[in-house]
This record gives sequence, C-alpha cells and structure tokens, in this order.
Amino acid sequence: EAQVTQNPRYLITVTGKKLTVTCSQNMNHEYMSWYRQDPGLGLRQIYYSMNVEVTDKGDVPEGYKVSRKEKRNFPLILESPSPNQTSLYFCASMTGGLETGNTIYFGEGSWLTVV
Amino acid sequence: KNQVEQSPQSLIILEGKNCTLQCNYTVSPFSNLRWYKQDTGRGPVSLTIMTFSENTKSNGRYTATLDADTKQSSLHITASQLSDSASYICVVSGNDYKLSFGAGTTVTVRA
Repeated sequence: EAQVTQNPRYLITVTGKKLTVTCSQNMNHEYMSWYRQDPGLGLRQIYYSMNVEVTDKGDVPEGYKVSRKEKRNFPLILESPSPNQTSLYFCASMTGGLETGNTIYFGEGSWLTVV
Repeated sequence: KNQVEQSPQSLIILEGKNCTLQCNYTVSPFSNLRWYKQDTGRGPVSLTIMTFSENTKSNGRYTATLDADTKQSSLHITASQLSDSASYICVVSGNDYKLSFGAGTTVTVRA
C-alpha cells in the first residue's frame, strides 16, 4: 500500500528544544516536500526535495532545516522551535515532476505545539 | 497575495443536493491544477488532476472543470452525501517545483 508516514503525529514541546519530525515514503518517489497548515491560510510549502541530496526552500523556510540522505526519508528539523511554529505539518511525495500531473501523496499530518 | 483564491470559504448543503466550488488562480505559467479533499485532521487526498489541455475531469460524483484562459476552475459535487463533509483544496502548479494552495472551501453536508 502506498504510504507516506510521519512521526510523531502529535507533539507538545518547549521553546528552544530541538526536535525532528520524520517522514518516510514507500513508493520510491523522487519528489518530497514539507508543508505547514494554519487556519485560514491553507498549506504553505516549507522545503522540498527533487531527489537525494537535492533540497530547496519553499515559501516559509525560516526556522526549519531538512535533509535528504536517502530517497525514502525526508526529515524536518526544528533546531530551536518557537511558539509561532505551532502548526499542523504535512509531508508529501510524488514521482516525477509536478508538471507531469502525477498524484501527490500526503502523510496524515503531525500536530506540533510549542509552548 | 495568494495566487490561488477559493470561494466560498464555507458552505452548508442538504444531503442529496449539488454544490459547486470555485477556484481562481494567477499562477503563470500554468502546468496543472489539482483538487484535493481533506477530512478534518487528516492528510489531503487527491480527487482530480487537470493539465493545461483538459477542460473537465470526473471522479465519481466529483466533476472538475478548468478554463485556462480565464484561470478558473470549479469542482461540482453531485448528490452530496454526509461523507462529503470536508475541506476541498485547489492546488496549482507552474513549471517549477512549488505548489500554490488555496485556503480551501469547507463543505458541511447535513441530513
């Protein structure tokens, strides 16, 4: 079964305590991406990766880091989380490029609260 | 300013009725447009994908239309069911690797 798996699904953390949200896909997809979703704003892209060792900033990359050492994994790192990073985060993956019209698969989301 | 605007922001319909959601975009150049359904607290699930040359595409009771000249798309839900209650998101991509998301339309279907 095609899956994008995120962990943890729910997390409450304190300001400044580094955390990592993992993302793994089992479809051998080249393209992976991270988004955050806030009320009334829709999903906003944080970072994306077109393949192993290739990453690029999205629209809201400040305060986040990513890495793509393996094709299946694309972790999102918050080095020093702040309350404005409280949000619902989604990882997504897709084969090929966006221009091909291929389906983008989303994970189930990670609810992050920074206090 | 968001490059993808959706309307209405929310709507309530009775079970069995039809409804139409709108999506206007300014993304250029345009590559393709996707409609996603997102249940509360869950990840978005693909409904349709349309490229520049496609005018309409159906997925069961969901029918999407695209007018690339006016940069407008619509999603029509026929004979709504309670399970259609969700947020519907319009997603537009150009010729780069970024996606532009609409804020979504929240549909509530009542018995």
